[in-house]
Amino acid sequence: QVQLQESGPGLVKPSETLSLTCIVSGYSISSGYHWGWIRQPPGKGLEWIGSIYHSGSSYNNPSLKSRATISVDTSNNQFSLKLSSVTAADTAVYYCARHRIAAAGTENWFDPWGQGTLVTVSS
Amino acid sequence: SYELTQPPSVSVSPGQTARITCSGDALPNQNAYWYQQKPGQAPVLVIYKDTERASGIPERFSGSSSGTTVTLTISGVQAEDEADYYCQSVDSSGIFVVFGGGTKLTVL
Repeated sequence: QVQLQESGPGLVKPSETLSLTCIVSGYSISSGYHWGWIRQPPGKGLEWIGSIYHSGSSYNNPSLKSRATISVDTSNNQFSLKLSSVTAADTAVYYCARHRIAAAGTENWFDPWGQGTLVTVSS
Repeated sequence: SYELTQPPSVSVSPGQTARITCSGDALPNQNAYWYQQKPGQAPVLVIYKDTERASGIPERFSGSSSGTTVTLTISGVQAEDEADYYCQSVDSSGIFVVFGGGTKLTVL
């Protein structure tokens, strides 16, 4: 049974970099699938941040203007998110999830998800 | 940027049928996915590839697609189905993920 768990600071100061890690258990990241980050501001909807393959190839939501960097650590079966120059608008619950992608966009879904972690941007 | 449009809210009585729609220009050529999110919990995949029910999801949940609109149907709604529902797809490039704004299902 695949399980994902987010970890990282719950409070980040404006203009600093938000750093989160997602630890995967019950499945080897190297076995396949992409791995993604999604966030949800309080009381609002879901926003995809980006996803990465175990090889390290990644792609991000253009709306974040290159502030997001996703990396993978196969030796520790985890992947990470760094979001630079944060503002109050980046306050959200951040989720990690396994991301199923098939060629030509025929399959593209997230399952399962981690429980999420709230990150607040405030001085 | 590409958008998926959902109604903000849908209300039904127990035992009735709830239909939640999601519209997007690329949906005729891209599959859609549905997630259920209950308060304080992470989203759960309900429907994948427009019509396929995810593992462990009750048979009362079904998905359909017609042109630029996909629909999540919940037949015989139960109180436990009260939740936010989000559709998800990708843009016409097939690369960038987009979520709908979400629909709050209220069971009266």
